[in-house]
This record gives sequence, C-alpha cells and structure tokens, in this order.
Amino acid sequence: EVQLLESGGGLVQPGGSLRLSCATSGLTFHFDNYAMSWVRQAPGRGLEWVSAISGSGTSTYYADSVRGRFTISRDNSQNTVFLQMNNLRAGDTALYYCAKSTRTYPGAWFDPWGQGTQVSVSS
Amino acid sequence: QSVLTQPPSASGTPGQRVTISCSGSSSNIGSNTVNWYQQLPGTAPKLLIYSNNHRPSGVPDRFSGSKSGTSASLAISGLQSEDEADYYCAAWDDSLNGVLFGGGTKLTVL
Repeated sequence: EVQLLESGGGLVQPGGSLRLSCATSGLTFHFDNYAMSWVRQAPGRGLEWVSAISGSGTSTYYADSVRGRFTISRDNSQNTVFLQMNNLRAGDTALYYCAKSTRTYPGAWFDPWGQGTQVSVSS
Repeated sequence: QSVLTQPPSASGTPGQRVTISCSGSSSNIGSNTVNWYQQLPGTAPKLLIYSNNHRPSGVPDRFSGSKSGTSASLAISGLQSEDEADYYCAAWDDSLNGVLFGGGTKLTVL
C-alpha cells in the first residue's frame, strides 16, 4: 500500500519561510514514474491546488497565488518531494496535503493523498 | 474563486439518488478528464471517480461519473448515511497550466 507522510509544517510569522517534505513508501514502481502535487485546504474552505512536479523533476507548475514564493522539488533517490515556502502570508494558512499523481504528468488523478501538515502564518 | 462550479450543498434521504454537478469551460473540462474526490469529515480527500467515469478498486458501484462538453456530474444511488461528506471535482486546465478544483459540495443525508 502506497503511503505519503508529510512533515515540516508549523507556526511562522508573516514573511517567514517553511520547507515541507513528503516521504513516499510502498511504491510498486519507481518514484520517478509519478508526478507529485501539493494541495492545501484553509480552515473551513475547499481544496486548492498549489504546485506540481513531473516525475523526472524537470517540469514544475504553480498556482498563481504562490508563483514566485513557493518552489517545489523532489529527490527521486529518497522518494521524497519538497515544498519550499518563502515570504509566507496569512492567506497561506492551511492544511497542506501531498498527493501522488498516477502518471508522470501532473494532470492525472491523485491517489493516494497524505494526511496533511498544518501551516499557520501569524504574528 | 473556483473556476469549476459546484453547488455548495446537496441532500437526500437514505436510498435516494442524488447528483452533483460540476461546470467548467473549454480549457479544463472541455479538453481534459474529470476526477472526483470524497472527503469524509476530519479526513484527507480520497479518489472516488477518475477519468470521468471510472471507479477505483473498493469504491461501490453506487457511485458513478459522467461528462458532457464542459460539464460533469457525480451520481450517488442508494444513498447511505456514510456517504455524508464533501465532494470535489477536479480537472487540469490548459490555460492555467495547473489543476483546478471545484468549490466542493457538502452532501447531507437526511
């Protein structure tokens, strides 16, 4: 069974930085066969896609709301994907989920999802 | 504001059939497949329907999906209390070069 485990969330002041990690285990095929995404959910709100990275790591994608502030990357030797978040704002406060795509490109469906890591931005 | 439009709420009694709509445009639903996710209270989202109308292993056949033009629908037949959850549609958008989620529909089983 594939499992995703996010870490790195916490409380940070506006303008601060955090680096989220998502470790994957239980894969049948190589980790680089799958694109990975980050999706966030603000308290009481719906799902918002944040960023994605192709299986090889050569292509990255961002929502307009985070482009220029967030950077997604992956280490295929460690089956891990990262989200570097800089210049954080109150509006970035959310539960951040890691989700595995079923193909090398990020447009395919997400299965499974991790349990999420909480990011809170407040002074 | 979501570009994929879903009704914020839906409801039905046990045994009934309910449908949830998801309206988009030519750059998302019109040119890419639609996926549906179920989020039970306090849990992470789970894949419910993929590629418009396919069910992952373990998802009851009471759940079905369809797509026509720039709209998609999720149907739940034989409604059960355990179906009470939030449901989200999603699709890749060629203009935004990213994934779009609908705003979500909260399903209440009366």
